[in-house]
Amino acid sequence: EDQVTQSPEALRLQEGESSSLNCSYTVSGLRGLFWYRQDPGKGPEFLFTLYSAGEEKEKERLKATLTKKESFLHITAPKPEDSATYLCAVQAYSGAGSYQLTFGKGTKLSVIP
Amino acid sequence: EAQVTQNPRYLITVTGKKLTVTCSQNMNHEYMSWYRQDPGLGLRQIYYSMNVEVTDKGDVPEGYKVSRKEKRNFPLILESPSPNQTSLYFCASSLGGVRPPTGYTFGSGTRLTVV
Repeated sequence: EDQVTQSPEALRLQEGESSSLNCSYTVSGLRGLFWYRQDPGKGPEFLFTLYSAGEEKEKERLKATLTKKESFLHITAPKPEDSATYLCAVQAYSGAGSYQLTFGKGTKLSVIP
Repeated sequence: EAQVTQNPRYLITVTGKKLTVTCSQNMNHEYMSWYRQDPGLGLRQIYYSMNVEVTDKGDVPEGYKVSRKEKRNFPLILESPSPNQTSLYFCASSLGGVRPPTGYTFGSGTRLTVV
């Protein structure tokens, strides 16, 4: 069974205080690891897809990295508008041309001015 | 604007009264799926569809039905809703085909309450 564990569950940072969120996973046949941002009451917003160990992607203050067992979302000099829940999901091949997506429970980030 | 549209946004219903939540996408995506989100449990996949007339169960399919008669639409049907189906529901779509789905686009959600 595919498993995705995100840590910490919640994180409070001062504005400008850089940190990292962790996503550890066990999956058979990884076909992509996704990071999403979710604001309260809204649908998840796509951030990144990573496919292989060593891959990195950046967008503004966010940088995602991937190893064979985990992914990190690094947040550099965060601003209050970065406050949200960050979700990690793994996509696995389930046979017959089908793919399944399994989400972690998320890390709720609060950035204090 | 490229988007996934769910309706309704909010719904309160009574136990046993059949309901349908609609989902439509305008991006010509092959892949569509439904999720429910509950506090402490995160997002869990209900059903997914790789293309027209192809659907498969996710992690929590009990009590739900889906159909994919057209590429753009993927309705979620609750034939006899129960209070434990009270949740926030999301539809999502992605390019697929011969490659794995990438960069899922989510709808704005449907908050369902079953009393």
